[in-house]
Amino acid sequence: NAGVTQTPKFQVLKTGQSMTLQCAQDMNHNSMYWYRQDPGMGLRLIYYSASEGTTDKGEVPNGYNVSRLNKREFSLRLESAAPSQTSVYFCATLGEETQYFGPGTRLLVL
Amino acid sequence: GQSLEQPSEVTAVEGAIVQINCTYQTSGFYGLSWYQQHDGGAPTFLSYNGLDGLEETGRFSSFLSRSDSYGYLLLQELQMKDSASYFCAVGGGATNKLIFGTGTLLAVQP
Repeated sequence: NAGVTQTPKFQVLKTGQSMTLQCAQDMNHNSMYWYRQDPGMGLRLIYYSASEGTTDKGEVPNGYNVSRLNKREFSLRLESAAPSQTSVYFCATLGEETQYFGPGTRLLVL
Repeated sequence: GQSLEQPSEVTAVEGAIVQINCTYQTSGFYGLSWYQQHDGGAPTFLSYNGLDGLEETGRFSSFLSRSDSYGYLLLQELQMKDSASYFCAVGGGATNKLIFGTGTLLAVQP
């Protein structure tokens, strides 16, 4: 089992470009989450999905959109990237009071 | 609002015991979790306290006092591989939205 996978691992964007970060899980979990982590900081919740077909905003949703394509996949889209969105992005799922994190996507916006 | 406070850095020697404290202010409370993150890696689950008291898992223990809005993570018989960042997080309920602290960087010295 792969657990939680994320693509791409690294990405460099120019200001104003768009991109989609992909997340997939094979753990059959209902809830999925997107976080960002800035240097020396904790994780901040961007969006979450409690089940297939539902999404809700977290602490820092501005500048992002999400799609819960099916139970396995939860994508995060940056429509017009800004330097302030330079960060490491983690996807996670929930099982038994435990969140399982993917390896992260490192995004640099120039 | 919701906030968590934990020390930014702790240093200890190999074989010693270290305690990382976490105090929180939340509008609703379901439980206190602890996650470990090695540099450049994904956070991994260590422990969860839903009720007051001590939970023990091998060399790691976690404590919660809901009346004091306080918890701690206790690491015993420290090893070099324990050098990492440790995050407390509060949350839970149906969506298990987690709010993370800013993390404690533990440096284990020989």
